[in-house]
Amino acid sequence: AQSVTQPDIHITVSEGASLELRCNYSYGATPYLFWYVQSPGQGLQLLLKYFSGDTLVQGIKGFEAEFKRSQSSFNLRKPSVHWSDAAEYFCAVGSDNYGQNFVFGPGTRLSVLP
Amino acid sequence: GAVVSQHPSRVICKSGTSVKIECRSLDFQATTMFWYRQFPKQSLMLMATSNEGSKATYEQGVEKDKFLINHASLTLSTLTVTSAHPEDSSFYICSARGPGSIELFFGEGSRLTVL
Repeated sequence: AQSVTQPDIHITVSEGASLELRCNYSYGATPYLFWYVQSPGQGLQLLLKYFSGDTLVQGIKGFEAEFKRSQSSFNLRKPSVHWSDAAEYFCAVGSDNYGQNFVFGPGTRLSVLP
Repeated sequence: GAVVSQHPSRVICKSGTSVKIECRSLDFQATTMFWYRQFPKQSLMLMATSNEGSKATYEQGVEKDKFLINHASLTLSTLTVTSAHPEDSSFYICSARGPGSIELFFGEGSRLTVL
């Protein structure tokens, strides 16, 4: 069965500091991986996705993520965090079964100190 | 990117009334839509999967008579919370997928408060 773990429930960083949010997955086939961000009271916005090819993917808002098959990880990074990045971040695994929902991680809440 | 619109974004109703939430795909045909419920500081909990023109498939523990889902067209799915009670107060989100697409596109969410 597919599963996604995000080991960090809550992370606090200072504005301007670098950020890495961890995501590990369990999936039997080649995973389709996603990172979403959710601001309070809002829906989910796609930051980036990995389907195949280059394992380092660039997303919106200066985020990037690296797919490491050997570690079953898809960690999200940003070199310099802005106060507006404070939000909830969800990692998700999808499949090519079009009728199937994604499996979401529990989320990591990011707080940014001024 | 594809756009999914949810309406209303906020709704307050009295206990015992029914509330309908709409989820529309604005620029693509959504063959599959998903409805989620999200409790504060938690991840999304899948309630049901709906395919256009067929009955929704509900997750275990979700009352299908309470949460009526209709997906009558390729651009619209509705979630009706019937005889709402305060415990139904929550944030409801929909997502949609087009034909042959792996990616999911999410609505903005709807905050339901039952008094």
